[in-house]
Amino acid sequence: DGGITQSPKYLFRKEGQNVTLSCEQNLNHDAMYWYRQDPGQGLRLIYYSQIVNDFQKGDIAEGYSVSREKKESFPLTVTSAQKNPTAFYLCASSILGTGGAEQYFGPGTRLTVT
Amino acid sequence: AQTVTQSQPEMSVQEAETVTLSCTYDTSESDYYLFWYKQPPSRQMILVIRQEAYKQQNATENRFSVNFQKAAKSFSLKISDSQLGDAAMYFCALNPLVEYGNKLVFGAGTILRVKS
Repeated sequence: DGGITQSPKYLFRKEGQNVTLSCEQNLNHDAMYWYRQDPGQGLRLIYYSQIVNDFQKGDIAEGYSVSREKKESFPLTVTSAQKNPTAFYLCASSILGTGGAEQYFGPGTRLTVT
Repeated sequence: AQTVTQSQPEMSVQEAETVTLSCTYDTSESDYYLFWYKQPPSRQMILVIRQEAYKQQNATENRFSVNFQKAAKSFSLKISDSQLGDAAMYFCALNPLVEYGNKLVFGAGTILRVKS
């Protein structure tokens, strides 16, 4: 089955610790994305990548970092610099084109920082 | 700036009836796509329907259809013969092509409740 996996489903961390969220896809998509979802605010783009070893900041990149060493993988690190890290994080992928491509989403990771 | 506004935080519909969810957007680009995504309680995002801005014909997918008014920058979703499985959060999203490539700008979402 082709799809996107995110692990873990729930993640708990103490304040001041960095934490890495996993995102893997076997859809052979070039583009991958990370979104943050907060109640009442919809999804906001954190980072995106259109090709291996290249990525760009989205609207709310501060306090986050990513890497794209393999086409299939796009891990997101939530650093201690992120002021309000508790949220639901969604990873997505799509074909690379001029636009209009459907984004396929993973099941998400709920991060709680106390 | 690209913005998407969903003015209805919550909507309710009786099973088998029709409901319309509203969405307005703002973009200076003439070429763009619009999407409706569904997020059920499982939180898995699913594409419902997609509309290309240069196509005047409204998109339809089975019980789901849109009313796309380009001049008014309005993109509403109509769900006919509502089913219990339609209960979810619905997000309207804008993909402005030139500036944004494949990136999406989402609205805040509308929670749809279906009554049996």
